[in-house]
Amino acid sequence: DAKTTQPPSMDCAEGRAANLPCNHSTISGNEYVYWYRQIHSQGPQYIIHGLKNNETNEMASLIITEDRKSSTLILPHATLRDTAVYYCIVIDQAGTALIFGKGTTLSVSS
Amino acid sequence: DAGITQSPRYKITETGRQVTLMCHQTWSHSYMFWYRQDLGHGLRLIYYSAAADITDKGEVPDGYVVSRSKTENFPLTLESATRSQTSVYFCASKSPYSNQPQHFGDGTRLSIL
Repeated sequence: DAKTTQPPSMDCAEGRAANLPCNHSTISGNEYVYWYRQIHSQGPQYIIHGLKNNETNEMASLIITEDRKSSTLILPHATLRDTAVYYCIVIDQAGTALIFGKGTTLSVSS
Repeated sequence: DAGITQSPRYKITETGRQVTLMCHQTWSHSYMFWYRQDLGHGLRLIYYSAAADITDKGEVPDGYVVSRSKTENFPLTLESATRSQTSVYFCASKSPYSNQPQHFGDGTRLSIL
């Protein structure tokens, strides 16, 4: 079973920030938080990952709480093309299999 | 272009037939993976390979065979296809270094009649 809990769906207006929460209360000290998304009919796309510090790249920002029990993926200016299922995954450095839960379906509308 | 490609993108076959799905990556990643995605189950790992000639089972390996004679290729074979193997199959690859993400292909949609 997935080690994470995400809301099943969220809506966001185009141009606004999309904040997607993830709960991972049983995370271990050596486990990372990864975010992927899957746009309809495509393969999962890697977005960002982190251990305990906040991370930012060209796609998104990842905010991890100090106790590491939850995190938030931020898409700063959502576009229609960001409509997808977003998966939060916890895995350790040596991990091989990514365990995908049901994710959050983000719908961006104009 | 560099990346990971899967072929064919779509395949229809009959029960009992053998079918091979191909996966090719140009990054020289040592790790490669096969997942299947079904409604209600999300993605599940079938097999993975840590390097050429090294393969290991994932969560749902029954009915599948893999080989890895070259680093860049990781074919998945259904030796005698069954209707329950109708699914979307995704291949992924990953650098051997820790803390690196898996990168996925666009998938093969397989229908078994």
